[in-house]
Amino acid sequence: DAGVIQSPRHEVTEMGQEVTLRCKPISGHNSLFWYRQTMMRGLELLIYFNNNVPIDDSGMPEDRFSAKMPNASFSTLKIQPSEPRDSAVYFCASRGTLAGELFFGEGSRLTVL
Amino acid sequence: GENVEQHPSTLSVQEGDSAVIKCTYSDSASNYFPWYKQELGKRPQLIIDIRSNVGEKKDQRIAVTLNKTAKHFSLHITETQPEDSAVYFCAAGGGGSNYKLTFGKGTLLTVNP
Repeated sequence: DAGVIQSPRHEVTEMGQEVTLRCKPISGHNSLFWYRQTMMRGLELLIYFNNNVPIDDSGMPEDRFSAKMPNASFSTLKIQPSEPRDSAVYFCASRGTLAGELFFGEGSRLTVL
Repeated sequence: GENVEQHPSTLSVQEGDSAVIKCTYSDSASNYFPWYKQELGKRPQLIIDIRSNVGEKKDQRIAVTLNKTAKHFSLHITETQPEDSAVYFCAAGGGGSNYKLTFGKGTLLTVNP
């Protein structure tokens, strides 16, 4: 298996632009997580899905952030409009069992100018 | 929700010495406690985990201990090597119907040759 696949790996954009991050979980995994990593706040859970259904989005910072999982093999995290404080590495991770190992993607490094 | 505190934030040891990182958690329902290693610019990867029905687990040079009564768990690395230098994260979660993992802020371990 290729593991969790994220795109783009790097994104540089200007304030106010829309940003879409994409994730393909490991085949057969039924839980998908979006984390944001910054030096100040560490790894923060933004939202997670189980069987394509959003279970907990309490970590989504504000209405500018939205996430979807239209099917078991694809998820998006959208920021509209983006702001400089959104600059971070965004990780997608998937999990095959209720309490099993979390597999992370390579991350998407976002820079908002 | 779950809150995980991790200490110390930085740790510097000489090659061959032992390193200990400690975490506390708040939710007594949590029953899964993994440790992740993240090298610079890379994704976090699982190195060892422990479940609440076990007090200690060992894998070669690394070991994890869990005290459910006190709600704390620790990572022990013996005979440290320069390649152990990385950021280490503890996490807690998996209790009940809660699939999510809450991470500590991380410990930057530096092993000096």
